[in-house]
Amino acid sequence: GQQVMQIPQYQHVQEGEDFTTYCNSSTTLSNIQWYKQRPGGHPVFLIQLVKSGEVKKQKRLTFQFGEAKKNSSLHITATQTTDVGTYFCAGRNGGYQKVTFGTGTKLQVIP
Amino acid sequence: GAGVSQSPSNKVTEKGKDVELRCDPISGHTALYWYRQSLGQGLEFLIYFQGNSAPDKSGLPSDRFSAERTGGSVSTLTIQRTQQEDSAVYLCASSLALIGTGSTYEQYFGPGTRLTVT
Repeated sequence: GQQVMQIPQYQHVQEGEDFTTYCNSSTTLSNIQWYKQRPGGHPVFLIQLVKSGEVKKQKRLTFQFGEAKKNSSLHITATQTTDVGTYFCAGRNGGYQKVTFGTGTKLQVIP
Repeated sequence: GAGVSQSPSNKVTEKGKDVELRCDPISGHTALYWYRQSLGQGLEFLIYFQGNSAPDKSGLPSDRFSAERTGGSVSTLTIQRTQQEDSAVYLCASSLALIGTGSTYEQYFGPGTRLTVT
């Protein structure tokens, strides 16, 4: 079945440093979504990428979808303590709505 | 309602007992999902509903787990003869799902039910 892996599993950064998480799928994806889960909270949708090579920005967050539509990345510039949480990618590969969630990257920001 | 709601928020049960978890999706969302999340772990897919039918039950860990959805709205996840390894947070999510458009819609998650099996 489809597998979606994320690296790294954990990342500790000093506040102000940049952070990147990578998402890799075993199969070609029709689209990819990113979610953020704050400690003790539930996942919240951030963005969706659909086109090959697509890049989208949300303030300090930059999302990329690979040319082959099998990988994606999330880059945060100048991290802040509010960025703390676990970031999940979720890819769709099929004729219906189900997406497969990645393994997640837990970000800790040290003030 | 304004968002996805789940009940109970916490459930402590003894090993061997049955439990029923409830999810109220956002009105109008035809797609509904159940996930399980163990402490500090990722999201484990359990089951997906499109309307009242479940085209994908592949994630249910054993035949002790079942789920149903009625009226295209409320869903219940039932775990029979609970085991300690069932302890986790059970998350429900809903989304729009316009069949045939090829579009994928964002999932809105509920706050989860924390299940503890003693």
